[in-house]
Amino acid sequence: DTAVSQTPKYLVTQMGNDKSIKCEQNLGHDTMYWYKQDSKKFLKIMFSYNNKELIINETVPNRFSPKSPDKAHLNLHINSLELGDSAVYFCASSQGQGMNTEAFFGQGTRLTVV
Amino acid sequence: GEDVEQSLFLSVREGDSSVINCTYTDSSSTYLYWYKQEPGAGLQLLTYIFSNMDMKQDQRLTVLLNKKDKHLSLRIADTQTGDSAIYFCAETSNRGSTLGRLYFGRGTQLTVWP
Repeated sequence: DTAVSQTPKYLVTQMGNDKSIKCEQNLGHDTMYWYKQDSKKFLKIMFSYNNKELIINETVPNRFSPKSPDKAHLNLHINSLELGDSAVYFCASSQGQGMNTEAFFGQGTRLTVV
Repeated sequence: GEDVEQSLFLSVREGDSSVINCTYTDSSSTYLYWYKQEPGAGLQLLTYIFSNMDMKQDQRLTVLLNKKDKHLSLRIADTQTGDSAIYFCAETSNRGSTLGRLYFGRGTQLTVWP
């Protein structure tokens, strides 16, 4: 069983479209994250939810809207996609927000905006 | 500037030891991590070290931490071709509202030659 699963794995779309990426974890964790990895492999956190509540919201355009319907799911909706949004988006989860918590990552969603 | 820095590339011959280095700037860093990313895959936690330790060994992996110099290294003994991947250094701290947030370096691409 996959611990943290994201769908789709690949997404190619045109500029201006709206798309969603879904993430589910079956680890019973209470905290979930979205990270963005750019073309130079730089990883940076975007959002974090704890028990469905937004706790970290980095400087991300408001075209990006996370939604957590329950503790096991954190979806990322992106409006009006731009070329610069092309990246690999990783979902992750952990139990708690403590510094010694291990974050488990999904396989990533490679988004290409054309 | 970035909080965590790594050299981008390392090439070694199979059977040799690999040493991947990382420096960080935040003196309040409490946990430091090494993640591995294989091509097309998500991030896998390899090991982590608490800031009050200076060494941790786990089978072929040895982590050294020099807290004074804010320098972290990962040594892989008897490197195998299957170790070829990108290795990310990451840190977390108890800085204010950043609890639970991982700060990543840009990753070191390790290439192992047969």
